[in-house]
Amino acid sequence: AQRVTQPEKLLSVFKGAPVELKCNYSYSGSPELFWYVQYSRQRLQLLLRHISRESIKGFTADLNKGETSFHLKKPFAQEEDSAMYYCALSGRGFQKLVFGTGTRLLVSP
Amino acid sequence: DTGVSQNPRHKITKRGQNVTFRCDPISEHNRLYWYRQTLGQGPEFLTYFQNEAQLEKSRLLSDRFSAERPKGSFSTLEIQRTEQGDSAMYLCASSRDRYEQYFGPGTRLTVT
Repeated sequence: AQRVTQPEKLLSVFKGAPVELKCNYSYSGSPELFWYVQYSRQRLQLLLRHISRESIKGFTADLNKGETSFHLKKPFAQEEDSAMYYCALSGRGFQKLVFGTGTRLLVSP
Repeated sequence: DTGVSQNPRHKITKRGQNVTFRCDPISEHNRLYWYRQTLGQGPEFLTYFQNEAQLEKSRLLSDRFSAERPKGSFSTLEIQRTEQGDSAMYLCASSRDRYEQYFGPGTRLTVT
């Protein structure tokens, strides 16, 4: 079975501080990992996916197959980063996305 | 707006009534997904269409739930004999390639 774990419900930081949102997954096949973000009163949208290896809005995430992790990082948080972040998993054997429970990031001035 | 749209945005119904939700995907997308999200949880997969064919259904989708995608365009999700446990946000997503799913704003269902 596929599973995604986000251990933190809430992460509160000050503006300019580094941010790391944790994500661990369980899947025996070849995983595809994603981070989705939901800003207040907006729909869920893709932030980044591991196959793209790109940085979006200053965020990066590296897939670590040994630790089965896909943590989201940003060196200097901004107030506009405050949102709900979901880690999601897909794979060759299935089409759906399996989501974690989400982490709310709150960036204070 | 060329994104995924869902109607209605909110639905309040009494227990035992039937409800139907509609999703209009991005026009060139051939894949369409339904998810359900309850408070404090991430979205949970319900079902998936490729064109008009329903290819996968979650065990969460009881016999009271049915989804269709006639002609491979819009989709409907019907819940019969609603229960209070059906109260949730119902999300629709569509994709062209295998990976990037675009989500709609959701339909919030409240069963009283």
